[in-house]
Amino acid sequence: GENVEQHPSTLSVQEGDSAVIKCTYSDSASNYFPWYKQELGKRPQLIIDIRSNVGEKKDQRIAVTLNKTAKHFSLHITETQPEDSAVYFCAAPYNQGGKLIFGQGTELSVKP
Amino acid sequence: DTGVSQDPRHKITKRGQNVTFRCDPISEHNRLYWYRQTLGQGPEFLTYFQNEAQLEKSRLLSDRFSAERPKGSFSTLEIQRTEQGDSAMYLCASSSLMDGGIHFGNGTRLTVT
Repeated sequence: GENVEQHPSTLSVQEGDSAVIKCTYSDSASNYFPWYKQELGKRPQLIIDIRSNVGEKKDQRIAVTLNKTAKHFSLHITETQPEDSAVYFCAAPYNQGGKLIFGQGTELSVKP
Repeated sequence: DTGVSQDPRHKITKRGQNVTFRCDPISEHNRLYWYRQTLGQGPEFLTYFQNEAQLEKSRLLSDRFSAERPKGSFSTLEIQRTEQGDSAMYLCASSSLMDGGIHFGNGTRLTVT
């Protein structure tokens, strides 16, 4: 079925540490994997995405990795800062890219 | 700001009333999506359009919900005979076929009393 599983649901790290959030998807035809950051009371904002023709993409302190065989993709945040505290959502397309299905979210807390 | 625009930002209504929300997508985007989000959950897909055609509607969506995009530009989402369980943030998003990423508006927060 249409399912995106996201773990963990909450994550607390010390400032400067790394954070990793993992997602699995079920549609083997999925070819695009975005990550969104949502601060309290605000809209989800696209922070990074990856297409299935690459295994990793990096943008400054954030990176995303993709394992198509295992249907896993992960968000990596290095040198975390308090302003990274937010809820992060992964998503994957279903029905040949017609819609994005979102994971349940990970609440990241970065302690100074 | 040329982002996705939604109106109103907040709506309080009594159970049984009808409500309508409007979304103006990013101008060059031909796909438009409606999602619903409740506290502590990820956005839940409701429906999406490519230009004026409604291509998919969630099977979980009650027939009290209807959406239109008559000219392939702005869209409206109507909820008839609202129920307390309809209380949520209704998010609109748009994308172009080329880049795939969807961009959300600020949402309409609906409270049904």
